[in-house]
Amino acid sequence: KAGVTQTPRYLIKTRGQQVTLSCSPISGHRSVSWYQQTPGQGLQFLFEYFSETQRNKGNFPGRFSGRQFSNSRSEMNVSTLELGDSALYLCASNLEGSLTGELFFGEGSRLTVL
Amino acid sequence: GNSVTQMEGPVTLSEEAFLTINCTYTATGYPSLFWYVQYPGEGLQLLLKATKADDKGSNKGFEATYRKETTSFHLEKGSVQVSDSAVYFCALFYTGGFKTIFGAGTRLFVKA
Repeated sequence: KAGVTQTPRYLIKTRGQQVTLSCSPISGHRSVSWYQQTPGQGLQFLFEYFSETQRNKGNFPGRFSGRQFSNSRSEMNVSTLELGDSALYLCASNLEGSLTGELFFGEGSRLTVL
Repeated sequence: GNSVTQMEGPVTLSEEAFLTINCTYTATGYPSLFWYVQYPGEGLQLLLKATKADDKGSNKGFEATYRKETTSFHLEKGSVQVSDSAVYFCALFYTGGFKTIFGAGTRLFVKA
């Protein structure tokens, strides 16, 4: 059974640009969550999607957005990049949405903003 | 609100030493509690979990007991190995919240 797949694994952008990150959950998983991981702030929750609906959102500015498609794949977008957006972006999927809580993580997309 | 506090690292131990990483939480209701581990260059993976008070989660020699009276979920291992070197995250999840809340993470170094 394939795990959670995130693309791209590494990317470098400059300030002001935008970026789109992709996440393919484990087959059959309908919930996808996104987290930002930085050395100073740890793991910060961005948003969670279930059956194409955003059910929860973290405290991030509107430059951070996401969506989920009918096949449960998810994308997140960051517009007008800032230096502070440099981070590891982790996607996680969950089988039953809010019932079990166990998350299965991808290896992350490491974004560097210059 | 809901939160997780875990001991700051890094923690440095010699091989075969006893490990404890403290974790306390603040939550309304009855959350599920987790320990995740992150090895270098990888995403997080579930190490163990407990879904109700007095449950003990265990895996790969690691254990943690859900203590509601002390709101704690401390991670322990009797004899660590070099391969246990990683970052450990305590986390809580509550049904209906649609998100998992993580502690800051504790980096463990094990020396041969």
